[in-house]
Amino acid sequence: AQSVTQPDIHITVSEGASLELRCNYSYGATPYLFWYVQSPGQGLQLLLKYFSGDTLVQGIKGFEAEFKRSQSSFNLRKPSVHWSDAAEYFCAVGPSGSARQLTFGSGTQLTVLP
Amino acid sequence: DTAVSQTPKYLVTQMGNDKSIKCEQNLGHDTMYWYKQDSKKFLKIMFSYNNKELIINETVPNRFSPKSPDKAHLNLHINSLELGDSAVYFCASSQVNPGNTEAFFGQGTRLTVV
Repeated sequence: AQSVTQPDIHITVSEGASLELRCNYSYGATPYLFWYVQSPGQGLQLLLKYFSGDTLVQGIKGFEAEFKRSQSSFNLRKPSVHWSDAAEYFCAVGPSGSARQLTFGSGTQLTVLP
Repeated sequence: DTAVSQTPKYLVTQMGNDKSIKCEQNLGHDTMYWYKQDSKKFLKIMFSYNNKELIINETVPNRFSPKSPDKAHLNLHINSLELGDSAVYFCASSQVNPGNTEAFFGQGTRLTVV
């Protein structure tokens, strides 16, 4: 069965610093991978996705992620964090299963210091 | 124009009551979902509905029932509400066949059972 691991429950960075959020997945075939962001009291917004092709994908708000098959990883990066990036970030894999659902990681809470 | 909209955004109700959450998508997608986000922010699939085929997560109590009047709507009915049902419920949609697009999420409904 597919699974997603986000090893970091909470990360704190200073505004302007670089950011990397880790994501490891377990999947039986070539995965479709996603990063979603959830701001407080808000829904889930797609940051970026990987379906195939170039392993470095660009997303919205200056985020990028790199798919590394050998490491089963899909880490999210941003070169310079803004205070508005403070949110919960979820990595997901799918769709799969009879319900064609996404399987989510447990999330990483990002705090940005001024 | 909102892609996936769900109402209400907040719902406070007493134990034992029956309540419904409505969801509509205007993306023309063929599959709709309900996810539950618990107090630890873990997201778990509850149902998916595709072309009149309902796939149910076996762990979901039968007090929960999705109803789809048409392809653009998937409402969630909950009978005999329990304290443990308190959570944030997200509706989502995607194009599965053909396509395999990413899932688009609504803003969530925070259900509080008192």
